Amino acid sequence: AQTVTQSQPEMSVQEAETVTLSCTYDTSESNYYLFWYKQPPSRQMILVIRQEAYKQQNATENRFSVNFQKAAKSFSLKISDSQLGDTAMYFCAFMKHGMGLQGGSEKLVFGKGTKLTVNP
Amino acid sequence: DTGVSQNPRHKITKRGQNVTFRCDPISEHNRLYWYRQTLGQGPEFLTYFQNEAQLEKSRLLSDRFSAERPKGSFSTLEIQRTEQGDSAMYLCASSLSLVWSYNEQFFGPGTRLTVL
Repeated sequence: AQTVTQSQPEMSVQEAETVTLSCTYDTSESNYYLFWYKQPPSRQMILVIRQEAYKQQNATENRFSVNFQKAAKSFSLKISDSQLGDTAMYFCAFMKHGMGLQGGSEKLVFGKGTKLTVNP
Repeated sequence: DTGVSQNPRHKITKRGQNVTFRCDPISEHNRLYWYRQTLGQGPEFLTYFQNEAQLEKSRLLSDRFSAERPKGSFSTLEIQRTEQGDSAMYLCASSLSLVWSYNEQFFGPGTRLTVL
């Protein structure tokens, strides 16, 4: 079974600064995806960034980037130039690589989350 | 294209009552997932459907829980004889599952259940 651990229950950052959220995971799978999801207060969960395990290059989406260390099973999220709208719960998640219609479920395994507050 | 919708958004019930939640996925998405999120925790997988077939159920899904997806469109999650431990946010997600490709799950806003 896969597990995802987020060791920072809460973090805060000043607007325009950079913050890094940590995530470690445990799996025996060799082919998988890792994600960071954002859940703003009273709003639905949205995907921030995705990393395929077979790719060595770290994923980047605008102000969001990851540091994927496969051997260490570490997957951190860096948010640059933090904005007030980044205030949210952030969840790290794991998905075993599915085979689409031929494979099993592509269920997500989530960590407990990190509550990020961006201060003005 | 509208997103995933869930109704009701909030439900307060008394212990022992039955409740039913509805999820309307993104049109033409063939997979539908239910997750449960308790306070201070990340979402946990409950079950999923591929079209109308329920293909996997978590051990979290006790026999008081039942889910359906008639005709492969909307889905309902029913909890019978609710207990206080059932209080949680119930999230629905849908995806378009294709052969050998990554399939993003899109989440609904959730139904928050409070059992008194």
